Amino acid sequence: GAVVSQHPSWVICKSGTSVKIECRSLDFQATTMFWYRQFPKQSLMLMATSNEGSKATYEQGVEKDKFLINHASLTLSTLTVTSAHPEDSSFYICSARDGDRATAGELFFGEGSRLTVL
Amino acid sequence: LAKTTQPISMDSYEGQEVNITCSHNNIATNDYITWYQQFPSQGPRFIIQGYKTKVTNEVASLFIPADRKSSTLSLPRVSLSDTAVYYCLVVGGGGFKTIFGAGTRLFVKA
Repeated sequence: GAVVSQHPSWVICKSGTSVKIECRSLDFQATTMFWYRQFPKQSLMLMATSNEGSKATYEQGVEKDKFLINHASLTLSTLTVTSAHPEDSSFYICSARDGDRATAGELFFGEGSRLTVL
Repeated sequence: LAKTTQPISMDSYEGQEVNITCSHNNIATNDYITWYQQFPSQGPRFIIQGYKTKVTNEVASLFIPADRKSSTLSLPRVSLSDTAVYYCLVVGGGGFKTIFGAGTRLFVKA
């Protein structure tokens, strides 16, 4: 199946710094990617929909100035957590849809990126 | 987007068949039903998708009644490695914007 890769897989940073997480579709083009965050023993929470060449669409309650999303190409979306604080520590996961595949609802997920803010 | 309801957790033994049912009463005409599996500290992995009746692949079967208000994921002969969280999602016909419910935590015992 299609492959989505995230980098870094884990990152530790100091409070107040910014962290960038990359999401790449390796063998297909993705006009739309999704960003989620997941706290321990909880489900994935959709943060935003990343659209290639346009602004991201954020879910209610997600601060767009805090979580900057850029989808500059058909294979790369980035999530930047700005001025990170300990409460931003979480597991961040991206997913992408391969528009050429016949299976309409199938999404491909990255491996996830674990952020720890000290 | 249709909300989904699943059991919070299930226990099973190796070699048994496991059926996880999901309710999605507000499913729309163009929606597909999709199931994902997630292991700790990993992204979800696609298992199976269906629109109506029955779908089977190499790892699972998906049963969808005519009214499509529920679906059942069937895992034949589970093993310890099937211990994971299973999510039922209802996805729009365009395949956009997926909202995850709470999922079902399956624990397979020896």
